[in-house]
Amino acid sequence: TQLLEQSPQFLSIQEGENLTVYCNSSSVFSSLQWYRQEPGEGPVLLVTVVTGGEVKKLKRLTFQFGDARKDSSLHITAAQPGDTGLYLCAARKGGNKLVFGAGTILRVKS
Amino acid sequence: EAQVTQNPRYLITVTGKKLTVTCSQNMNHEYMSWYRQDPGLGLRQIYYSMNVEVTDKGDVPEGYKVSRKEKRNFPLILESPSPNQTSLYFCASSPGTGSPLLYEQYFGPGTRLTVT
Repeated sequence: TQLLEQSPQFLSIQEGENLTVYCNSSSVFSSLQWYRQEPGEGPVLLVTVVTGGEVKKLKRLTFQFGDARKDSSLHITAAQPGDTGLYLCAARKGGNKLVFGAGTILRVKS
Repeated sequence: EAQVTQNPRYLITVTGKKLTVTCSQNMNHEYMSWYRQDPGLGLRQIYYSMNVEVTDKGDVPEGYKVSRKEKRNFPLILESPSPNQTSLYFCASSPGTGSPLLYEQYFGPGTRLTVT
Protein backbone atom coordinates (compact mmCIF):
# COMPACT_ATOMS: atom_id res chain seq x y z
CA THR A 1 0.00 0.00 0.00
CA GLN A 2 1.34 3.37 -1.04
CA LEU A 3 1.58 6.04 1.64
CA LEU A 4 0.64 8.55 -1.06
CA GLU A 5 -2.16 7.46 -3.39
CA GLN A 6 -2.38 9.28 -6.68
CA SER A 7 -5.38 9.30 -8.97
CA PRO A 8 -6.12 8.83 -11.70
CA GLN A 9 -3.25 6.59 -12.75
CA PHE A 10 -3.63 7.62 -16.38
CA LEU A 11 -5.36 10.52 -18.06
CA SER A 12 -5.66 11.18 -21.78
CA ILE A 13 -7.32 14.43 -22.83
CA GLN A 14 -7.59 16.83 -25.74
CA GLU A 15 -5.70 20.08 -25.90
CA GLY A 16 -7.66 22.86 -24.22
CA GLU A 17 -9.43 20.69 -21.65
CA ASN A 18 -9.11 21.17 -17.90
CA LEU A 19 -8.06 18.42 -15.52
CA THR A 20 -7.38 17.68 -11.88
CA VAL A 21 -5.13 15.03 -10.40
CA TYR A 22 -5.09 14.04 -6.77
CA CYS A 23 -2.63 12.95 -4.13
CA ASN A 24 -4.22 11.46 -1.00
CA SER A 25 -3.01 9.96 2.25
CA SER A 26 -4.27 9.02 5.67
CA SER A 27 -1.17 10.62 7.16
CA VAL A 28 -0.57 14.26 7.97
CA PHE A 29 2.42 15.89 6.29
CA SER A 30 4.31 19.05 7.14
CA SER A 31 4.72 19.76 3.44
CA LEU A 32 4.13 18.18 0.05
CA GLN A 33 5.87 18.54 -3.29
CA TRP A 34 4.76 18.07 -6.89
CA TYR A 35 7.14 17.02 -9.66
CA ARG A 36 6.77 16.48 -13.40
CA GLN A 37 8.81 13.87 -15.20
CA GLU A 38 9.18 13.64 -18.96
CA PRO A 39 10.25 10.43 -20.71
CA GLY A 40 13.98 9.76 -20.41
CA GLU A 41 14.53 12.47 -17.81
CA GLY A 42 14.56 12.90 -14.07
CA PRO A 43 11.65 14.51 -12.21
CA VAL A 44 11.62 18.29 -12.01
CA LEU A 45 10.16 20.10 -9.04
CA LEU A 46 7.02 22.17 -9.73
CA VAL A 47 6.01 23.37 -6.29
CA THR A 48 6.15 22.81 -2.54
CA VAL A 49 3.03 23.43 -0.44
CA VAL A 50 3.43 23.90 3.27
CA THR A 51 0.36 25.39 4.92
CA GLY A 52 -3.02 23.64 5.20
CA GLY A 53 -5.43 25.17 2.68
CA GLU A 54 -2.59 26.79 0.75
CA VAL A 55 -3.12 27.46 -2.96
CA LYS A 56 -0.20 28.10 -5.29
CA LYS A 57 -0.36 28.97 -8.95
CA LEU A 58 2.25 28.33 -11.60
CA LYS A 59 0.91 29.75 -14.88
CA ARG A 60 -1.93 27.36 -15.83
CA LEU A 61 -1.22 24.98 -12.94
CA THR A 62 -2.97 25.42 -9.60
CA PHE A 63 -1.83 23.43 -6.57
CA GLN A 64 -3.83 23.07 -3.38
CA PHE A 65 -2.87 21.55 -0.04
CA GLY A 66 -5.77 20.14 1.94
CA ASP A 67 -6.85 21.89 5.12
CA ALA A 68 -5.84 18.84 7.17
CA ARG A 69 -2.54 18.51 5.25
CA LYS A 70 -3.37 14.92 4.22
CA ASP A 71 -4.06 15.52 0.55
CA SER A 72 -3.28 17.76 -2.37
CA SER A 73 -4.55 18.43 -5.85
CA LEU A 74 -3.11 19.74 -9.08
CA HIS A 75 -5.45 21.46 -11.52
CA ILE A 76 -4.37 22.29 -15.05
CA THR A 77 -6.38 24.80 -17.05
CA ALA A 78 -6.48 24.59 -20.86
CA ALA A 79 -4.00 21.73 -21.07
CA GLN A 80 -1.39 21.81 -23.81
CA PRO A 81 0.68 19.01 -25.37
CA GLY A 82 3.69 20.33 -23.48
CA ASP A 83 1.95 19.37 -20.22
CA THR A 84 2.29 15.70 -21.14
CA GLY A 85 4.29 13.76 -18.58
CA LEU A 86 4.23 11.87 -15.31
CA TYR A 87 3.09 13.92 -12.34
CA LEU A 88 4.40 12.83 -8.97
CA CYS A 89 3.63 13.98 -5.46
CA ALA A 90 6.14 13.53 -2.64
CA ALA A 91 6.29 14.11 1.11
CA ARG A 92 8.55 13.56 4.08
CA LYS A 93 7.86 10.31 5.93
CA GLY A 94 9.16 10.61 9.44
CA GLY A 95 12.51 12.26 9.90
CA ASN A 96 14.36 12.78 6.66
CA LYS A 97 12.95 9.99 4.47
CA LEU A 98 11.05 11.02 1.37
CA VAL A 99 8.18 9.06 -0.15
CA PHE A 100 6.62 9.43 -3.59
CA GLY A 101 3.27 8.48 -4.99
CA ALA A 102 3.09 6.15 -8.01
CA GLY A 103 2.21 9.08 -10.24
CA THR A 104 -0.38 10.16 -12.79
CA ILE A 105 0.53 9.77 -16.46
CA LEU A 106 -0.96 12.67 -18.40
CA ARG A 107 -1.23 12.67 -22.16
CA VAL A 108 -2.51 15.79 -23.90
CA LYS A 109 -3.43 15.26 -27.53
CA SER A 110 -3.34 18.09 -30.07
CA GLU B 1 25.39 25.01 -14.73
CA ALA B 2 23.87 23.61 -11.53
CA GLN B 3 23.29 19.92 -12.03
CA VAL B 4 23.32 16.35 -10.76
CA THR B 5 25.23 13.94 -12.96
CA GLN B 6 25.04 10.16 -12.99
CA ASN B 7 27.17 7.59 -14.75
CA PRO B 8 26.66 5.40 -16.55
CA ARG B 9 23.30 6.23 -18.12
CA TYR B 10 22.77 2.68 -19.29
CA LEU B 11 24.23 -0.53 -17.92
CA ILE B 12 23.63 -4.18 -18.72
CA THR B 13 25.33 -6.64 -16.42
CA VAL B 14 25.10 -10.19 -15.17
CA THR B 15 24.01 -11.56 -11.84
CA GLY B 16 26.66 -11.29 -9.16
CA LYS B 17 29.03 -8.88 -10.89
CA LYS B 18 29.69 -5.93 -8.58
CA LEU B 19 28.91 -2.51 -10.00
CA THR B 20 28.96 1.13 -8.96
CA VAL B 21 26.79 3.94 -10.24
CA THR B 22 28.33 7.33 -9.59
CA CYS B 23 26.45 10.49 -8.64
CA SER B 24 27.86 13.97 -8.33
CA GLN B 25 26.30 17.39 -7.65
CA ASN B 26 27.86 20.83 -8.01
CA MET B 27 25.41 22.80 -5.87
CA ASN B 28 27.03 22.25 -2.47
CA HIS B 29 23.91 20.41 -1.33
CA GLU B 30 23.93 18.61 2.00
CA TYR B 31 21.17 16.07 1.32
CA MET B 32 21.62 13.40 -1.33
CA SER B 33 19.48 10.40 -2.11
CA TRP B 34 19.10 7.39 -4.37
CA TYR B 35 15.79 6.18 -5.76
CA ARG B 36 14.65 3.38 -7.96
CA GLN B 37 11.67 3.77 -10.26
CA ASP B 38 9.58 0.80 -11.30
CA PRO B 39 6.31 0.82 -13.28
CA GLY B 40 3.29 1.30 -11.04
CA LEU B 41 5.42 1.80 -7.93
CA GLY B 42 6.69 5.31 -8.44
CA LEU B 43 10.00 6.36 -6.94
CA ARG B 44 11.19 4.45 -3.90
CA GLN B 45 14.00 5.77 -1.75
CA ILE B 46 16.95 3.39 -1.37
CA TYR B 47 19.39 5.38 0.78
CA TYR B 48 19.87 8.98 1.71
CA SER B 49 22.64 11.06 3.21
CA MET B 50 22.25 14.20 5.26
CA ASN B 51 25.92 15.12 5.06
CA VAL B 52 29.42 13.73 4.70
CA GLU B 53 29.81 10.38 6.48
CA VAL B 54 26.09 10.37 7.42
CA THR B 55 23.96 7.85 5.54
CA ASP B 56 20.67 6.20 6.34
CA LYS B 57 18.33 3.59 4.91
CA GLY B 58 15.32 4.51 2.85
CA ASP B 59 12.41 2.18 2.18
CA VAL B 60 14.20 -0.36 -0.06
CA PRO B 61 17.86 -0.60 1.02
CA GLU B 62 18.35 -4.37 0.69
CA GLY B 63 21.08 -5.29 -1.80
CA TYR B 64 22.54 -1.78 -2.01
CA LYS B 65 25.36 0.12 -0.35
CA VAL B 66 26.27 3.78 -0.42
CA SER B 67 29.05 6.00 0.85
CA ARG B 68 29.46 9.76 1.31
CA LYS B 69 33.14 10.54 1.65
CA GLU B 70 32.86 13.91 -0.07
CA LYS B 71 29.96 16.33 -0.06
CA ARG B 72 29.53 16.31 -3.84
CA ASN B 73 29.63 12.53 -4.45
CA PHE B 74 27.22 9.78 -3.45
CA PRO B 75 27.92 6.50 -5.26
CA LEU B 76 25.49 3.58 -5.26
CA ILE B 77 27.08 0.15 -5.00
CA LEU B 78 25.51 -3.17 -5.88
CA GLU B 79 27.83 -5.81 -4.44
CA SER B 80 26.04 -8.78 -6.03
CA PRO B 81 23.34 -7.58 -8.42
CA SER B 82 20.29 -9.74 -9.02
CA PRO B 83 17.60 -9.57 -11.73
CA ASN B 84 15.11 -7.99 -9.30
CA GLN B 85 17.40 -4.96 -9.18
CA THR B 86 16.71 -4.27 -12.84
CA SER B 87 15.26 -0.78 -12.68
CA LEU B 88 15.66 2.91 -13.46
CA TYR B 89 17.79 4.60 -10.81
CA PHE B 90 17.85 8.28 -9.94
CA CYS B 91 20.20 10.25 -7.78
CA ALA B 92 18.92 13.48 -6.28
CA SER B 93 20.20 16.25 -4.06
CA SER B 94 18.63 19.05 -2.04
CA PRO B 95 20.04 21.99 -0.10
CA GLY B 96 19.55 20.49 3.35
CA THR B 97 17.06 19.46 5.97
CA GLY B 98 14.80 21.21 8.45
CA SER B 99 12.74 23.71 6.51
CA PRO B 100 10.38 22.11 3.94
CA LEU B 101 11.89 24.10 1.09
CA LEU B 102 15.30 22.62 1.86
CA TYR B 103 14.00 19.18 0.82
CA GLU B 104 13.26 20.25 -2.74
CA GLN B 105 14.99 17.65 -4.84
CA TYR B 106 17.15 18.13 -7.93
CA PHE B 107 17.33 14.91 -9.90
CA GLY B 108 19.96 13.45 -12.14
CA PRO B 109 19.08 12.09 -15.60
CA GLY B 110 18.76 8.48 -14.46
CA THR B 111 20.63 5.21 -14.94
CA ARG B 112 18.82 2.33 -16.58
CA LEU B 113 20.20 -0.90 -15.16
CA THR B 114 19.48 -4.36 -16.53
CA VAL B 115 20.70 -7.43 -14.63
CA THR B 116 20.50 -10.70 -16.53
